[in-house]
Formats: sequence, C-alpha cells, structure tokens
Amino acid sequence: QKEVEQNSGPLSVPEGAIASLNCTYSDRVSQSFFWYRQYSGKSPELIMSIYSNGDKEDGRFTAQLNKASQYVSLLIRDSQPSDSATYLCAVNTGFQKLVFGTGTRLLVSP
Amino acid sequence: DGGITQSPKYLFRKEGQNVTLSCEQNLNHDAMYWYRQDPGQGLRLIYYSQIVNDFQKGDIAEGYSVSREKKESFPLTVTSAQKNPTAFYLCASSNLGSGGPLAKNIQYFGAGTRLSVL
Repeated sequence: QKEVEQNSGPLSVPEGAIASLNCTYSDRVSQSFFWYRQYSGKSPELIMSIYSNGDKEDGRFTAQLNKASQYVSLLIRDSQPSDSATYLCAVNTGFQKLVFGTGTRLLVSP
Repeated sequence: DGGITQSPKYLFRKEGQNVTLSCEQNLNHDAMYWYRQDPGQGLRLIYYSQIVNDFQKGDIAEGYSVSREKKESFPLTVTSAQKNPTAFYLCASSNLGSGGPLAKNIQYFGAGTRLSVL
C-alpha cells in the first residue's frame, strides 16, 4: 500500500464550481499535511498546510483533515481556469521527511 | 530577493559523465532536500540534510551524491552510475524549528533543473 494516495484524475469541473481533491495516508503517526499546486513544467508551490482535525480556510481554498479516517482533502471554491494544475498532497511522516502523493490533475473549463 | 536558486535550468549529460546540479538558499533554513520527478509521477526523495556536514539517503539515493559544506548550499551530483537520469530535479528547504521529527516541516521549492541524456 502506498503511503500517500491520490486519484490521478483528471478531475474536470466547470468554471465557478467547487473542486474537491482527496488524499489518504497510511501512517497514523503523521501530524503535518500539505497541499502543493504544480503547473505544467514548473515546481510545486505551497498553497495550504493543516495540522489539526477540522477545516482550515484561506481565500477560495479549504483544507479538511480527519486523522481518524486518515484522510485530507482540498476544496477549491469558485474554480477558475487558472486553477488548472496538478495538486500534490504531502504528509510529514516523521524524521523531517515529506512523502508526496502522485498528484491529481485538475482541469477547469471556461 | 529571498528564495531558493537552482542552476542550471536545463542540463545535458553525456554517457559516462558526472554532472552537478546547484542549489542555494538565502532563507537561513536548516534543512535541504533533493527530489526527483518523472513525468506523471510524484516527488521521490534522493537525499536530505538537516545540518551542515551531515546528510541522509532518501528513497532513491543510488547513483547520486551530495555535500553540505555550507548551510546555504546543497549540490547534487548525478554520477555515471545513475543509468536513467532523465528527470526534473527539485531542491527544497525548510526551517526545522522546534517540535521534533513531526514538526511542521514546511518545504519550499526552487524552480528545478531539467536533466536529459545526450
């Protein structure tokens, strides 16, 4: 079983809709969780971090964490074509290392 | 300008050649990391360093070497032993702070180096 799993997509949503991206992880010890956005040919950029159960909102982005279910998600409200990218979920499993999922490709159509 | 600088942006390696990728950061971060990304794949950890003059192997260290002689610099050498080096190489850094091994470890990335084989 992979340590961090994401659906590779593509996830297609129309402009203005809510995009929901999901990630599951296997290590119960994990305490820190991150979402990175990666445009084609570019490096990942951090968009959200979450450490406690519940929701964390930042502008159009909401990260949700459920440690009991080992599940973290990212909601993007009012999706824009500029949100089209690959979203990488990353988990700190200890020893100051992050484990990355393979990413979900999001396509937002005008 | 604070950040992480990787150079060169593109690099070509001839068979049997060693090449070195540069990574410099002026964020005063303790830890630095090297990842490899293949098309359609996630990031795989090659090496990481939490302190000067010390580094640890990641998941795919074979065929690579690193050094950490200065806090701000963490160069990666792709040796001739790495038979499939074509990939996008990403350097990252983070401020370890307090909190032990499960501390927040927010990593920030450089722009990457794209390595191809001639």
